[in-house]
Amino acid sequence: SQKIEQNSEALNIQEGKTATLTCNYTNYSPAYLQWYRQDPGRGPVFLLLIRENEKEKRKERLKVTFDTTLKQSLFHITASQPADSATYLCAHINAGNNRKLIWGLGTSLAVNP
Amino acid sequence: NAGVMQNPRHLVRRRGQEARLRCSPMKGHSHVYWYRQLPEEGLKFMVYLQKENIIDESGMPKERFSAEFPKEGPSILRIQQVVRGDSAAYFCASSPPPPGETQYFGPGTRLLVL
Repeated sequence: SQKIEQNSEALNIQEGKTATLTCNYTNYSPAYLQWYRQDPGRGPVFLLLIRENEKEKRKERLKVTFDTTLKQSLFHITASQPADSATYLCAHINAGNNRKLIWGLGTSLAVNP
Repeated sequence: NAGVMQNPRHLVRRRGQEARLRCSPMKGHSHVYWYRQLPEEGLKFMVYLQKENIIDESGMPKERFSAEFPKEGPSILRIQQVVRGDSAAYFCASSPPPPGETQYFGPGTRLLVL
């Protein structure tokens, strides 16, 4: 079955450093992957989408890469800030017409001042 | 433009009672998705609806759970005869027509079954 995997261990980094989160997928080839941010007690917030024919996508301090050979997407936050502390979720959309999202479990990021 | 609204934000029910969760999509959005989130399981798709139609309910348990999105009013996720295992956060998301790549999520309803 289609499966998305993210690092289950929390990531702790120092303010100003670059955070890198990993999303791996197996048993399918998604047309695109999405990254969301979720804060405690809140719903996911869309950050970036990357298509299979795109190598890289950027938005301000965020960068996403997509390597179809490795079946992997990397999510980078440069010049990280304590306000970036949250859980980051990787998801892909079912290729059919229903567009339901299939999710990884998320990686918790803590940026220490 | 108000975002996706869900109510109640917190709901406490005793076993055997009914839980009714409401979702008002963003203005202009006619596609609604319901997801359930458990701490160790992550977000799971439950059901996808358009106005007056259920498009995909493959993630929703066959018994006790139902969903609707009427022509007028919010989308409703109904859980009858709740059990402790139904305790979770339930999120609604909406997207504009045609089904967009980006889904906009509400704040969720946290259901606790005693």
